Amino acid sequence: GENVEQHPSTLSVQEGDSAVIKCTYSDSASNYFPWYKQELGKRPQLIIDIRSNVGEKKDQRIAVTLNKTAKHFSLHITETQPEDSAVYFCAASRPNQAGTALIFGKGTTLSVSS
Amino acid sequence: EAQVTQNPRYLITVTGKKLTVTCSQNMNHEYMSWYRQDPGLGLRQIYYSMNVEVTDKGDVPEGYKVSRKEKRNFPLILESPSPNQTSLYFCASGRGTGELFFGEGSRLTVL
Repeated sequence: GENVEQHPSTLSVQEGDSAVIKCTYSDSASNYFPWYKQELGKRPQLIIDIRSNVGEKKDQRIAVTLNKTAKHFSLHITETQPEDSAVYFCAASRPNQAGTALIFGKGTTLSVSS
Repeated sequence: EAQVTQNPRYLITVTGKKLTVTCSQNMNHEYMSWYRQDPGLGLRQIYYSMNVEVTDKGDVPEGYKVSRKEKRNFPLILESPSPNQTSLYFCASGRGTGELFFGEGSRLTVL
């Protein structure tokens, strides 16, 4: 069935370093790939997304890249800050559902130490 | 303020005692969904609804029921809760292929 694999499961960086989280998806019909950030005790919130007609998207310190041929996409965070510490989930749209239907990766716990 | 509201936020119950977690959204979204979050397993979809009176199973529907009688409400029903349903539950809503808006979560413990 449809699947989204996310790596690594944990990531520790020093403040100011870059962090990269990678995801692969199984269904070539997926066309929407968001990233959610979940701070401790809070709800997941969208931080950036990309659609299949675009290869890269950037928003200040975060960027997402998409390789549709290889079916993988990545989140890049530059100049990390302690407030970037959170769990990050990638997701891919579910072609067998209408609406905002997503299948999520298992999450990456990012720790940024100062 | 646009929001998804879940209740209760925290609940401790016992095996077999029926419970309902309510979810309401004020954004007029057609799509609503329930997820459970467990350590190391991410967010797994339980049920979803594409509109009023239209519901379908997600990846882990066993032991749960839902209904969608009104567009804004999408309650999650546990008819006979068991300890393996101890989890953090999130309701979410959205429109089209775009952002999902999550509720604040409901932490359920079944003893």
